Amino acid sequence: NAGVTQTPKFQVLKTGQSMTLQCAQDMNHEYMSWYRQDPGMGLRLIHYSVGAGITDQGEVPNGYNVSRSTTEDFPLRLLSAAPSQTSVYFCASSYGFKDGYTFGSGTRLTVV
Amino acid sequence: GNSVTQMEGPVTLSEEAFLTINCTYTATGYPSLFWYVQYPGEGLQLLLKATKADDKGSNKGFEATYRKETTSFHLEKGSVQVSDSAVYFCALNHGSGNTGKLIFGQGTTLQVKP
Repeated sequence: NAGVTQTPKFQVLKTGQSMTLQCAQDMNHEYMSWYRQDPGMGLRLIHYSVGAGITDQGEVPNGYNVSRSTTEDFPLRLLSAAPSQTSVYFCASSYGFKDGYTFGSGTRLTVV
Repeated sequence: GNSVTQMEGPVTLSEEAFLTINCTYTATGYPSLFWYVQYPGEGLQLLLKATKADDKGSNKGFEATYRKETTSFHLEKGSVQVSDSAVYFCALNHGSGNTGKLIFGQGTTLQVKP
């Protein structure tokens, strides 16, 4: 099993550019989430999904969009990149709300 | 609102020392509690979990007990190794609504010296 696969691993964007961070899992997990990790701030939830076709906002959703058309995929779209979005982004999935999440290896994004 | 508070790091220990990393939480309902570990340059890995009061989670020599009366979930290990050097995160999920949303503490860096 591949687990949770995130692409790309590294990305540099210019301010105002848009891009999509990809996330795919092959474990048939219903729950998927996106987090950003910043120094001294732990992990903060951006968006999450409890199943295909169902998404909701987390703690820091502004500037990001998500969709969940299939169980396997949960892409995160940056609409117009800003330097404040420089961060490490993690996608995670879980079978149930009491189960632990499996995390991807992360995407390190720099916005200049 | 729901929150998790961890002891500030870094925590520096010698090999074979006893480890405690404190974690307390504030939550409505009946959350599940988790410890995650992050090694340098990697994603987070689930270390252990507990889903109800008085449950003890354990893995790789680490353990933590869900104490509802003190709203705590402290991580302990009897004898740390250099390979345990990492950042440790305490987390809880929302106990109501079955949303699966995880709330993390700030993380505690552990450095183990030979």
